[in-house]
Amino acid sequence: GAVVSQHPSRVICKSGTSVKIECRSLDFQATTMFWYRQFPKQSLMLMATSNEGSKATYEQGVEKDKFLINHASLTLSTLTVTSAHPEDSSFYICSASAPGAIQETQYFGPGTRLLVL
Amino acid sequence: GQNIDQPTEMTATEGAIVQINCTYQTSGFNGLFWYQQHAGEAPTFLSYNVLDGLEEKGRFSSFLSRSKGYSYLLLKELQMKDSASYLCAVRALRGTGANNLFFGTGTRLTVIP
Repeated sequence: GAVVSQHPSRVICKSGTSVKIECRSLDFQATTMFWYRQFPKQSLMLMATSNEGSKATYEQGVEKDKFLINHASLTLSTLTVTSAHPEDSSFYICSASAPGAIQETQYFGPGTRLLVL
Repeated sequence: GQNIDQPTEMTATEGAIVQINCTYQTSGFNGLFWYQQHAGEAPTFLSYNVLDGLEEKGRFSSFLSRSKGYSYLLLKELQMKDSASYLCAVRALRGTGANNLFFGTGTRLTVIP
């Protein structure tokens, strides 16, 4: 149980375009979903916390107008990187918190590798 | 803020035991997690500690001392497939009421024959 999927797994885009990444909890309803970014050889950095039906809470330094998060249902959250630039190239990982799971453990999706040319 | 430290790299021999340490300084401590991450993949959950002591799960054990801000992950009977990064993550209750995970930089473990 507690499977989280992400789509796409890999995307290459031109600078200035927008990219949408989907995160789905496949076998449970997630009260909260989280979006992280990981640069090579660095730790996961929390970007934002997303609760179904409400606005996302962004971490300091993360531009909410650039990284649009929509959490339309208990099983789906989307992250849209608007007007992407090469410095946005990174590994984006979502996680979902399952009610009743071991002390609200976060389960991670397989990640999306974004390359902006 | 959160400050989480763990060694950058470790090497151990197949069949041996290795201990990966993690020290942390945080406010609102609400549990410590260990995750395994293979290169280019998402982290997978290994263990969770919120009270002091040792939690054992097969070949993996995790220890926590809240007073010392210290945890370790112990891997026994190392296998080649255990070569991966091991992430120490502290969950902290924030002023907003949210519980968030804060990750260390990870320890890259290489298992050699």
